[in-house]
Amino acid sequence: EVQLVESGGGLVQPGGSLRLSCAASGFTFSSHWMSWVRQAPGKGLEWVANIKQDGSEKHYVDSVKGRFTISRDDAKNSLYLQMNSLRAEDTAVYYCARAPRGTIPQPKIDYWGQGTLVTVSS
Amino acid sequence: QSALTQPPSASGSPGQSVTISCTGTSSDVGGYNFVSWYQQHPGTAPKLMIYEVSKRPSGVPDRFSGSKSGNTASLTVSGLQAEDEADYYCSSYAGNNNNPVFGGGTKLTVL
Repeated sequence: EVQLVESGGGLVQPGGSLRLSCAASGFTFSSHWMSWVRQAPGKGLEWVANIKQDGSEKHYVDSVKGRFTISRDDAKNSLYLQMNSLRAEDTAVYYCARAPRGTIPQPKIDYWGQGTLVTVSS
Repeated sequence: QSALTQPPSASGSPGQSVTISCTGTSSDVGGYNFVSWYQQHPGTAPKLMIYEVSKRPSGVPDRFSGSKSGNTASLTVSGLQAEDEADYYCSSYAGNNNNPVFGGGTKLTVL
């Protein structure tokens, strides 16, 4: 059974940092693109970051470029999102998501974690 | 990285059909056959309903179908059921060096 379990969310002050982690199991983690998708309270979905199978490609939404870093550790079947210089508008539920195999970041997420809430507030 | 355009709401009675549109540009929806649709019930993670414009993952009822014409993709839900009431999001590949993009979402109400 495919499982994605996020951790690391919480309350942080503006300008602060958080590191989200996602523990994956039940599939060959190293074969898939992996993604972070967020959803602000009462708002729609936003694709935050994507990372290719070997980590050689990373893509970010413009609003987080230079502040967020996506990474993966295939030996630990884990995905990470380092979030620095956090802003109020980064407040959202952050989902770890399994994207497809293949060479391009298709918008096809077949498994999602339960989500972890990040709240940026003083 | 502009969001795709969806109507904020749609509705239909049980048994009817409803179509939700998703409009992008030639750089995303119109340029590639990589459009997906997700269903999200309140308080839960999204669920993949359609991928690559018109393909259904196993377990998704054939009442759900997808299509595309030019820069606009569409999701049709036939034989509406009460459990279809949810938010629906489209998403498209947006080319090299870009994340996929989502639409703003459509709230489907079953009357």
